[in-house]
Amino acid sequence: KAGVTQTPRYLIKTRGQQVTLSCSPISGHRSVSWYQQTPGQGLQFLFEYFSETQRNKGNFPGRFSGRQFSNSRSEMNVSTLELGDSALYLCASSSGPQETQYFGPGTRLLVL
Amino acid sequence: QKEVEQDPGPLSVPEGAIVSLNCTYSNSAFQYFMWYRQYSRKGPELLMYTYSSGNKEDGRFTAQVDKSSKYISLFIRDSQPSDSATYLCAMSAGVQGGSEKLVFGKGTKLTVNP
Repeated sequence: KAGVTQTPRYLIKTRGQQVTLSCSPISGHRSVSWYQQTPGQGLQFLFEYFSETQRNKGNFPGRFSGRQFSNSRSEMNVSTLELGDSALYLCASSSGPQETQYFGPGTRLLVL
Repeated sequence: QKEVEQDPGPLSVPEGAIVSLNCTYSNSAFQYFMWYRQYSRKGPELLMYTYSSGNKEDGRFTAQVDKSSKYISLFIRDSQPSDSATYLCAMSAGVQGGSEKLVFGKGTKLTVNP
């Protein structure tokens, strides 16, 4: 079974721009969670989607948004990028809440 | 106080050593405890999953949970250079409102020297 895939793997943007990151979960998995990882804050939960519905949201500003499609693929969007948004963005999929989460390799975003 | 505290290290040990990694937490509602391993430029991979208190062993890895002390540990026996990675503890209170939110420690960077 193919693992979680994330595109793009690397991205460079400038302040004020917006960015969209994509995540394809493991086949059959309907739950997708997004995390931001930085050296200072570690791994922080952004949001979780299950069957196209956002089930939970972390403590991030409204500039961070996401969605899930009927095929369980998910996208997250960050608008009006700030320098502090530079991070590794990780997507994890599971067959459902409380099931093991499998992480993708992440998208490394650099904001200049 | 952060919900989950983990010493970031770095921790450097010789090959064959026993490694002890630890996390403390403040939220008494946590009942699911996990250890993830993250190699450089990769996403985290699940190593151990424990429910409530007690020990769990898998090969060279042993996970311990002490809910009374709000303290969890991961022991690695006969450590190998391939164990060099960042180890992250994670925990959750289980499914609430139909979803589960994992809270992670910041990770401990481990290097096992040949």
